[in-house]
Amino acid sequence: SQQGEEDPQALSIQEGENATMNCSYKTSINNLQWYRQNSGRGLVHLILIRSNEREKHSGRLRVTLDTSKKSSSLLITASRAADTASYFCATVSGSARQLTFGSGTQLTVLP
Amino acid sequence: NAGVMQNPRHLVRRRGQEARLRCSPMKGHSHVYWYRQLPEEGLKFMVYLQKENIIDESGMPKERFSAEFPKEGPSILRIQQVVRGDSAAYFCASSGADNYGYTFGSGTRLTVV
Repeated sequence: SQQGEEDPQALSIQEGENATMNCSYKTSINNLQWYRQNSGRGLVHLILIRSNEREKHSGRLRVTLDTSKKSSSLLITASRAADTASYFCATVSGSARQLTFGSGTQLTVLP
Repeated sequence: NAGVMQNPRHLVRRRGQEARLRCSPMKGHSHVYWYRQLPEEGLKFMVYLQKENIIDESGMPKERFSAEFPKEGPSILRIQQVVRGDSAAYFCASSGADNYGYTFGSGTRLTVV
């Protein structure tokens, strides 16, 4: 079963608007990471938040983590057409080293 | 630093043939992970290897799939007697000693015809 589930599955916004994507997970985690995947391409690491952190910023990205609700959100501010991509959350849990991915949110930013 | 290199980028195989996918980790990384992505889905973990050792293969199908990471050379994901359902993008990632520095390759897109 999926450790991470993103919602919405698809999101379409106008350039300049903010985009918020949510991720829920089932088990305790060491850290949670967000990745971007452009169509037909590999994954690009965006940001990592550790289980003892609540919020993290990187440029136009803001990630929050609520371990009591087992959820995270990714906010992209002032979106651009180039932000159009699929966004995945992934968790690392326990002694495991591998990432467990959610099913992703397809973001479309309209110019 | 060339990052994680996967080849080939695209691979077409007929049903019943063998597919061999290669992954060279980032320089200095000794941990390699293979993931499979079906169309419109997220990545699913397959196997985690260190040099000459399989650490976790809980995501590998029990038959036809195998992986290795020899002392010298790239990691290989091998799929024997491919079937149409094996068509997917296969991604390799590598990391160093800590949990945090994952780097992904561009993937190999396998099409079984």
